[in-house]
Amino acid sequence: DTGVSQDPRHKITKRGQNVTFRCDPISEHNRLYWYRQTLGQGPEFLTYFQNEAQLEKSRLLSDRFSAERPKGSFSTLEIQRTEQGDSAMYLCASSSVRDSLTYEQYFGPGTRLTVT
Amino acid sequence: GQNIDQPTEMTATEGAIVQINCTYQTSGFNGLFWYQQHAGEAPTFLSYNVLDGLEEKGRFSSFLSRSKGYSYLLLKELQMKDSASYLCAVVDSNYQLIWGAGTKLIIKP
Repeated sequence: DTGVSQDPRHKITKRGQNVTFRCDPISEHNRLYWYRQTLGQGPEFLTYFQNEAQLEKSRLLSDRFSAERPKGSFSTLEIQRTEQGDSAMYLCASSSVRDSLTYEQYFGPGTRLTVT
Repeated sequence: GQNIDQPTEMTATEGAIVQINCTYQTSGFNGLFWYQQHAGEAPTFLSYNVLDGLEEKGRFSSFLSRSKGYSYLLLKELQMKDSASYLCAVVDSNYQLIWGAGTKLIIKP
């Protein structure tokens, strides 16, 4: 399967704990995005990478959130000192940017985080 | 600010036609996507419009009017499996996707 994969699919954690999620994009895609989605809402942009460079980070992203893409391939999203409000689906997507055109984003299955 | 508006929920009958509207106000425009999302699953691509007019793809069609900041998704011959949320997303001047909250479509027999 050459689609976007995410791990884990589900994570239950206690408030105050740290969690880390992984995303493996489609191999030839150079852009990678992280979104958060709550029930009944569209995806909320968190951050994105072009190759290994983090080009934009949402103002909504507190300093408890950090993302990396060290070699321009897979990415990790870490949430420190989780809060109940962090409970959501975390989606990763990848796309290919050519000639200044952004092609469609392909989404992974998501990681559902529940903070108790 | 940037804004994407879609109806929250729509109901239609199996076999019928439904039109889901999307209006947008964004900083720049580089195209508009429609995605389908079933409950608990990730969004999947349906269509992309960058020029005015109608794009037809099987039972689904998408229309764009850039001057009006308006798009619609038309679903024909509705099937029960079309029950899902439909998300409108605009590519802004920074080539980022600005997402609407989605329209939940309920299909009744």
